[in-house]
Order: sequence, then C-alpha cells, then structure tokens
Amino acid sequence: DIQMTQSPSTLSASVGDRVTITCRASQSISTLLAWYQQKPGKAPKLLIYKTSNLERGVPARFSASGSGREFTLTISSLQPDDFATYYCQQYDTYWTFGQGTKVEI
Amino acid sequence: QVQLMQSGAEVKKPGASVKVSCKTSGYIFIGYDINWVRQASGQGLEWMGWMNPNSGNTGYAQKFQGRVTMTRDTSIGTAYMELSSLISDDTAVYYCTAAVSYYNPAAYYPFDYWGQGTPVTVSS
Repeated sequence: DIQMTQSPSTLSASVGDRVTITCRASQSISTLLAWYQQKPGKAPKLLIYKTSNLERGVPARFSASGSGREFTLTISSLQPDDFATYYCQQYDTYWTFGQGTKVEI
Repeated sequence: QVQLMQSGAEVKKPGASVKVSCKTSGYIFIGYDINWVRQASGQGLEWMGWMNPNSGNTGYAQKFQGRVTMTRDTSIGTAYMELSSLISDDTAVYYCTAAVSYYNPAAYYPFDYWGQGTPVTVSS
C-alpha cells in the first residue's frame, strides 16, 4: 500500500500569511495527487487534482506542485475562509489520504 | 446539479451490521464509480472501497474485506454500503463519493462529489 505523510500536522498562521503544506508518498505516484479542504462537520471538498490543477471555483491564491514522491500545497495569502483541515490523496494505486494538516489561527 | 444524499445517523451494538444508502441525482448513475470513505471523530480520511454501478463490480480495501459489501439499485440511482461485525472502532462518519468530472475507467481518479456523511455509532 502507498502511504502518504503530511507535514506539519498543525499550522498556526494569520490572515495574509503565505502557508505551505507538504505531502510525501512512500513511493512514486507520478502526478496523481489531489488536495482536499475540510471544515468541521462538512464533507471534504476537492481543491486540486493531478498535482496542480485547480478545481472549478477554487481561488487562485491556492497553488500546488510536485511530482514523484514530494508535493506541496501553498496558499499565497491566507483568508478567513481558509482556516480548515487539508488532506492530500494519492490516486496512483487505489486511494490513500494523508493524515491531514489543520490550519488554525 | 450533482447531488449525493445519504441516509441518517445510525446507532448499532457491537456485532451488528449497518447499511448506509447514498441516493444520487443530477448525473448518469451507472456512468461513474461510487467510492466510500470513512472518518473517525477527529481523525483522517480512510478509503473503504469502490463500486461500478453499471456492472456491480466492487473492490474493497484489504482492511475491510470480508466485512464490507457495496451494492446498488440502478432503478433508483442509489448505492449502498453495508458493514458487518461492527466494533467500537467502526464509529465514524461514512461518506459516499463520486468522480463525475474526472472519472477514468482504466485507472484511478480524485473524488469531486461527496455525500453529506452518515454518522455511525457503535456502542453497547
């Protein structure tokens, strides 16, 4: 099974900050990586697919990159609506999620 | 618009089974796989398995093989996930998902539509 490891587990930041979350795969997954945002009590929301492609309606302050085993999600200027938990997901071989990164104030 | 509407919260005793439904609308049900994902309280997301609503073919994560069954009723566009031999560690919110925009029948894909989640509590 492919394991996904995110860092950090928790990230404390302020409105306007630039934040970066890292996701590492236990083996190469090419570019078959997605990012989801989840708010308390809600289902996850797809933000980015195939490493760097923004889902419809996702603000341009979100960007992502990577390939192989290491990937990053960046929020260029954190907004109040962005405080949430973020998960990476590999879909190279079945599906596996990272453990999540909580972005808090 | 695409919608996945799940059944309501369940409370079960250890050893029992639970069956969660996922009623779809706004797209061709048999055209896209349904996946199930669960999330224990305060924990991360865990993929459970997939089902092709057209063929009925399924694939389950090794952890759940032998305990999970995914089925569908194509006449009403509804998918079901049944988990048996419940233990307290199965207490979680269970989500159905569909990959309508990015579905690839020859490979894997991200999940762009999610149900609202069904809380399942296992307690004696």
